Amino acid sequence: GQNIDQPTEMTATEGAIVQINCTYQTSGFNGLFWYQQHAGEAPTFLSYNVLDGLEEKGRFSSFLSRSKGYSYLLLKELQMKDSASYLCAVRRSGGYQKVTFGIGTKLQVIP
Amino acid sequence: DVKVTQSSRYLVKRTGEKVFLECVQDMDHENMFWYRQDPGLGLRLIYFSYDVKMKEKGDIPEGYSVSREKKERFSLILESASTNQTSMYLCASSLDLGNEQYFGPGTRLTVT
Repeated sequence: GQNIDQPTEMTATEGAIVQINCTYQTSGFNGLFWYQQHAGEAPTFLSYNVLDGLEEKGRFSSFLSRSKGYSYLLLKELQMKDSASYLCAVRRSGGYQKVTFGIGTKLQVIP
Repeated sequence: DVKVTQSSRYLVKRTGEKVFLECVQDMDHENMFWYRQDPGLGLRLIYFSYDVKMKEKGDIPEGYSVSREKKERFSLILESASTNQTSMYLCASSLDLGNEQYFGPGTRLTVT
């Protein structure tokens, strides 16, 4: 089975740092994606973690702990344009390595 | 840049109609996907295809079928549309299964 949990909504202030958590339970795990989706638009790829640890990419970083079934996306120096939904997605191992998406976290950045 | 296009941004159909949603990608990707996205439920995989004429059911295939006659084109078919199929439909493609996916702009389908 597959279960992915993220907070539904978050609010943060422009210029601040925000951490969006994702926990998952899966029968087979092969990696975790983060996507960004602005309202009315398609999701776009942000990051992919396979190994434990933190991967930094500009203002965005993504962390993975496979043993804890836990990931987070860290957004630094928040900008108004970061207001969007952030989707956590798990890649399963075996077979067709299907990717399952979480419901997404809607982040609102306020002045 | 990968480009994934969908035939319509908005579509209104009547219950019982046959509906075709078309998706085209221009990056020679092997794999293509159809999702629907609903508030509170997130993105759910309907069908995917890993090669021409090959298809696999996703998590919610009931009421849908697909066709992939050419590598760049993947069609989603609603044989007899129902009101519970009102949703945002997103197509995606990827180079390898499990790799990052590139999404089209989506088709918002309303079935009345």
